[in-house]
Amino acid sequence: EPEVTQTPSHQVTQMGQEVILRCVPISNHLYFYWYRQILGQKVEFLVSFYNNEISEKSEIFDDQFSVERPDGSNFTLKIRSTKLEDSAMYFCASEGRLDSLLAGYTFGSGTRLTVV
Amino acid sequence: GDSVTQMEGPVTLSEEACLTINCTYTATGYPSLFWYVQYPGEGLQLLLKATKADDKGSNKGFEATYRKETTSFHLEKGSVQVSDSAVYFCALTMDSNYQLIWGAGTKLIIKP
Repeated sequence: EPEVTQTPSHQVTQMGQEVILRCVPISNHLYFYWYRQILGQKVEFLVSFYNNEISEKSEIFDDQFSVERPDGSNFTLKIRSTKLEDSAMYFCASEGRLDSLLAGYTFGSGTRLTVV
Repeated sequence: GDSVTQMEGPVTLSEEACLTINCTYTATGYPSLFWYVQYPGEGLQLLLKATKADDKGSNKGFEATYRKETTSFHLEKGSVQVSDSAVYFCALTMDSNYQLIWGAGTKLIIKP
């Protein structure tokens, strides 16, 4: 069964440093997403991406965040200057939407980001 | 705004017990409803879904029925197994933006 792959599984970074979280979506999917889950809290939408541009973004997704699909396979989330409150599990998802979301998203296993 | 409320966990049951995890939603229109499951150390997996009122989603022995009149989508299973131990998330999405809006998750622990 096709998978969404995320790397690394765990990243520890110092406050103020830049991090890039990587995702390889399912190859024939067209819609890509990042969600995050702060420990003990709800999963939150960050951003959706389609046709090489951001479709929607939440209030969380401020100027410190950016997304890119640099080579047609990887889908990256960059945090320019990490803060302690960015510590969370970050989930990438992709979706084919051949039948109007009936298939649902396919999620990766997540990257646990710890900012110290 | 749109929201999802799940029963708090953890829920601890013995093997072969009946399971119900409550989920209710608030939405301005007619959402699609989902249950996702997260097994220890793994990502979020779609368990089942329903896209309109009275639809029943089912998978792996789990069922949930989209009840518009009570704005609910409770997850049920007649006989749970130890392997069902996981965190279960109820979520909705509207056709307008396809963002998933999540419940807080319910941790299920099944004891042998």
